Amino acid sequence: EAGVVQSPRYKIIEKKQPVAFWCNPISGHNTLYWYRQNLGQGPELLIRYENEEAVDDSQLPKDRFSAERLKGVDSTLKIQPAELGDSAVYLCASSLVGSVRVETQYFGPGTRLLVL
Amino acid sequence: DAKTTQPPSMDCAEGRAANLPCNHSTISGNEYVYWYRQIHSQGPQYIIHGLKNNETNEMASLIITEDRKSSTLILPHATLRDTAVYYCIVRGTGTASKLTFGTGTRLQVTL
Repeated sequence: EAGVVQSPRYKIIEKKQPVAFWCNPISGHNTLYWYRQNLGQGPELLIRYENEEAVDDSQLPKDRFSAERLKGVDSTLKIQPAELGDSAVYLCASSLVGSVRVETQYFGPGTRLLVL
Repeated sequence: DAKTTQPPSMDCAEGRAANLPCNHSTISGNEYVYWYRQIHSQGPQYIIHGLKNNETNEMASLIITEDRKSSTLILPHATLRDTAVYYCIVRGTGTASKLTFGTGTRLQVTL
């Protein structure tokens, strides 16, 4: 079974440019997460989707970040415009949440973003 | 979700058991203990989780104290490929549930 797929793996852009990351979750998983991981820190949740609905976006900087999950499968995370402080690894995770809400999240390899 | 405390780093000789401690003294009755690890340049990998009973799978064992205020992840025969950052996470259930990562324990397995 394929794991969580993310692309690109690496991205270098200049500040003020836009950038987008793509995530394909594990087949059948209804919940998708985007995390940001700064150097030397653990991942921090940006947004969580249950199917198409963003159920927790409280940590998403909405002035420059946006996300969508069309048809409840793939998702994209966009930054426009990027700032130097956005340099980080952006991780996507997915899980299957059922009636018993103890689920395991499976992570992709991440996209490493460098803003110059 | 309850906070956790882990040592920042540990060393272990290859072939020996690695015992990684975690304190979670404010854990509540419906919160689970999860362990993930992150190998360099990879995404976090799920290892194991438990509520109050000890758990074992093909990767590791999880020992939770009777008062649930601390736990230990045991890698029975550590290899060089187990070198990673190990995160202990306490997590509740419900719609607001999420993984809150700390800074973890950096385990270095040496020859």
